[in-house]
Amino acid sequence: KNQVEQSPQSLIILEGKNCTLQCNYTVSPFSNLRWYKQDTGRGPVSLTIMTFSENTKSNGRYTATLDADTKQSSLHITASQLSDSASYICVVSELTGGGNKLTFGTGTQLKVEL
Amino acid sequence: DAGVTQSPTHLIKTRGQQVTLRCSPKSGHDTVSWYQQALGQGPQFIFQYYEEEERQRGNFPDRFSGHQFPNYSSELNVNALLLGDSALYLCASSNKSRLAGPYEQYFGPGTRLTVT
Repeated sequence: KNQVEQSPQSLIILEGKNCTLQCNYTVSPFSNLRWYKQDTGRGPVSLTIMTFSENTKSNGRYTATLDADTKQSSLHITASQLSDSASYICVVSELTGGGNKLTFGTGTQLKVEL
Repeated sequence: DAGVTQSPTHLIKTRGQQVTLRCSPKSGHDTVSWYQQALGQGPQFIFQYYEEEERQRGNFPDRFSGHQFPNYSSELNVNALLLGDSALYLCASSNKSRLAGPYEQYFGPGTRLTVT
């Protein structure tokens, strides 16, 4: 069964600090991996999308890495801000005959405090 | 350029009732996917529509059905509501021509359904 596991489940950091969120997956055949940011009660917003051939991608203060061999990804947040408080969801896409099929992780709940 | 819109924002229903949720995709998108997100969980894929037909389906019972209209908007219908159907229902739109690749998917704000 295709699975996406994220760690830690929750994290509290001080404003200005960096943090790294982890994602391990068993999805196969792999198509691409996405990181989304979801504010409470809102829809997810895409941060990065990486294909098999990409091992790093940045979007402002967010940098995602991908190791397709070990099936691991990380999301690094630099100089955190209060507005970074949200759930960060790792999503892995499986390539099927009908197109991409997405498997979502349960997310890491990040809280940035003063 | 309007993004993905969903209605209603919130909804309260009683067990056994039926509900219809609506979604309008982002301008230029023709594919709509529906997700159920329970509190503290990641979204679970329900189904995907394009060209007015259901193209992919997740592990949801037949109580969950949908429809896509010629203008690409979509409805999600849930019959015989159960308490466990309480969740945030998300709609996401994308472009069919990109589905084979790392297509971008835009989510709406969701509809919060509470079943009592």
